[in-house]
Amino acid sequence: AQSVSQHNHHVILSEAASLELGCNYSYGGTVNLFWYVQYPGQHLQLLLKYFSGDPLVKGIKGFEAEFIKSKFSFNLRKPSVQWSDTAEYFCAMKPGGGADGLTFGKGTHLIIQP
Amino acid sequence: GAGVSQSPRYKVAKRGQDVALRCDPISGHVSLFWYQQALGQGPEFLTYFQNEAQLDKSGLPSDRFFAERPEGSVSTLKIQRTQQEDSAVYLCASSQRIMEETQYFGPGTRLLVL
Repeated sequence: AQSVSQHNHHVILSEAASLELGCNYSYGGTVNLFWYVQYPGQHLQLLLKYFSGDPLVKGIKGFEAEFIKSKFSFNLRKPSVQWSDTAEYFCAMKPGGGADGLTFGKGTHLIIQP
Repeated sequence: GAGVSQSPRYKVAKRGQDVALRCDPISGHVSLFWYQQALGQGPEFLTYFQNEAQLDKSGLPSDRFFAERPEGSVSTLKIQRTQQEDSAVYLCASSQRIMEETQYFGPGTRLLVL
């Protein structure tokens, strides 16, 4: 069965610090990978996605993620965080080429201190 | 519409009551998904529709859970004889096409069973 693991449940950073949130998945075939963000009081929004091609994908608000197939990883990065990045971040996957429900990680609660 | 909408946003039910949760997907979106998100966890897949056909209901936790999408647009998730463990946020998502498409999430319905 497929699964997604997020390494950190809570992360606290100061503004302007660099961010990297870990995500590993377990699945033997082609995958589609996603990072979603949930700001306080808001619904889940897509940050970025990987389907195929360049393993370094860029998303909204300066976020990027790198798909490393050999490590089954899809870590999220941002070079300089802002207070407004405080949110819950979810990594998700689904098998590639199909219409399937997403498998989510448990999420990482990111707090940015001003 | 502009996005996925769900109603009610909040529902309190007494144990044993039946509840019905509604999802209005983005107009024209073919695929519709239901997820359950327990407190402190990531969303977990419940069921998937392609137009009016329910193609996957492997995530429904018991036969008390039932979903329908009779005209291929609005969907209803029904929970019969609610139990305390059903307390969660129920999320609906839709996507435009069948294959390899981004899912857009609604705000969710927060269900509390007393």
